[in-house]
Amino acid sequence: QVQLQESGPGLVKPSQTLSLTCTVSGGSVSSGIYYWSWVRQPAGKGLEWIGRIYTSGSTNYNPSLKSRVTISVDTSKNQFSLKLNSVTAADTAVYYCAREEGYGRKFDDWGRGTLVTVSS
Amino acid sequence: SYELTQPLSVSVALGQTARITCGGNSIGSKNVHWYQQKPGQAPVLVIYRDSDRPSGIPERFSGSNSGNTATLTISRLQAGDEADYYCQVWDTTTAIFGGGTKLTVL
Repeated sequence: QVQLQESGPGLVKPSQTLSLTCTVSGGSVSSGIYYWSWVRQPAGKGLEWIGRIYTSGSTNYNPSLKSRVTISVDTSKNQFSLKLNSVTAADTAVYYCAREEGYGRKFDDWGRGTLVTVSS
Repeated sequence: SYELTQPLSVSVALGQTARITCGGNSIGSKNVHWYQQKPGQAPVLVIYRDSDRPSGIPERFSGSNSGNTATLTISRLQAGDEADYYCQVWDTTTAIFGGGTKLTVL
């Protein structure tokens, strides 16, 4: 059973860069079957997909965030990471990492999420 | 950009059947996935590719998709089904989520 665990600072100052890492256990980010995504959820609001990465390093991003987002993968550490720059209070949210099963394109496993607050 | 529309809330009595809709332009031509999210928890996949159930999800959960509307149906409602439910599709290489529906079990 794969497990995903988000980690990173819980507080980021406005205009700075939010950086999170998702560590995968019980599975491999090098698997050709899966994509690896980031999804966020502001308090009391719905889910917003941020972007995804494939083991090859190929990425897709939400057009609304594309100019500020970078997702990378480190196969040696079995991790993938999110960087979101020029953050504002609107980026305050719970950030989830999730595994997308490539054939059905469904998010079949999720991390527990980590709250990131943007505040000075 | 593609949009999905869900009712904000649905309230149904214990033991009855809940139906949660997800509207989108020609959504019937897309694969729809449904997620259940309880307070303070991560989403859980309950239906994928319109009507398939992951292992461990009760048969009470079912789905359909046609035309401009996909529907998640939960029969024999239990108190534990009370949660937020989200539909999701792909618009080429962008994942789109519906706004979510809060299911209240009366």
